[in-house]
Amino acid sequence: ELKVEQNPLFLSMQEGKNYTIYCNYSTTSDRLYWYRQDPGKSLESLFVLLSNGAVKQEGRLMASLDTKARLSTLHITAAVHDLSATYFCAVARGANSKLTFGKGITLSVRP
Amino acid sequence: DGGITQSPKYLFRKEGQNVTLSCEQNLNHDAMYWYRQDPGQGLRLIYYSQIVNDFQKGDIAEGYSVSREKKESFPLTVTSAQKNPTAFYLCASSIDEESYEQYFGPGTRLTVT
Repeated sequence: ELKVEQNPLFLSMQEGKNYTIYCNYSTTSDRLYWYRQDPGKSLESLFVLLSNGAVKQEGRLMASLDTKARLSTLHITAAVHDLSATYFCAVARGANSKLTFGKGITLSVRP
Repeated sequence: DGGITQSPKYLFRKEGQNVTLSCEQNLNHDAMYWYRQDPGQGLRLIYYSQIVNDFQKGDIAEGYSVSREKKESFPLTVTSAQKNPTAFYLCASSIDEESYEQYFGPGTRLTVT
């Protein structure tokens, strides 16, 4: 059974500083997704990582995937208040499109 | 505009009643999914459908039923057999390509009392 763990579950960030959050998963997969969720809202797709060594960047966020370590990292550069949200990673199971989600990491950026 | 719509946004029901949540997409996506989200939790897969007239159980299908009679529609019925139906329900769809990226609807918040 595929398990996806995210840590930490909550992170208080100071504006302007850099941070990294992690997503670990238990069985082999080469597709990993990062989503953002604002309170009471739906999920917004951030990144799709499809192979070992994949790196994607959008604004202050950069995601990478290491399939051998079964680890994805989401790096935040110079945090700003607008990044406050819950971030989920999801890992594909097998060859089809079923996903297993982590519990999410809630980021809060303080002045 | 292309997208996924879910209705209603908020739904209130009495215990013992069945309720159907709507999900429609005009993205021409083949695959559609239903997830449930509880407070402080990730999403859990209820049912999914990769093609019209076919669907499979996800991880927590008990107490739920679906149909897929049209490509653009994938309604979810929460039956009275579902023991804890109060949750946020999200519908998603994806095109059957390599990335299988899933796009989510706005969600329906169901409260059963």
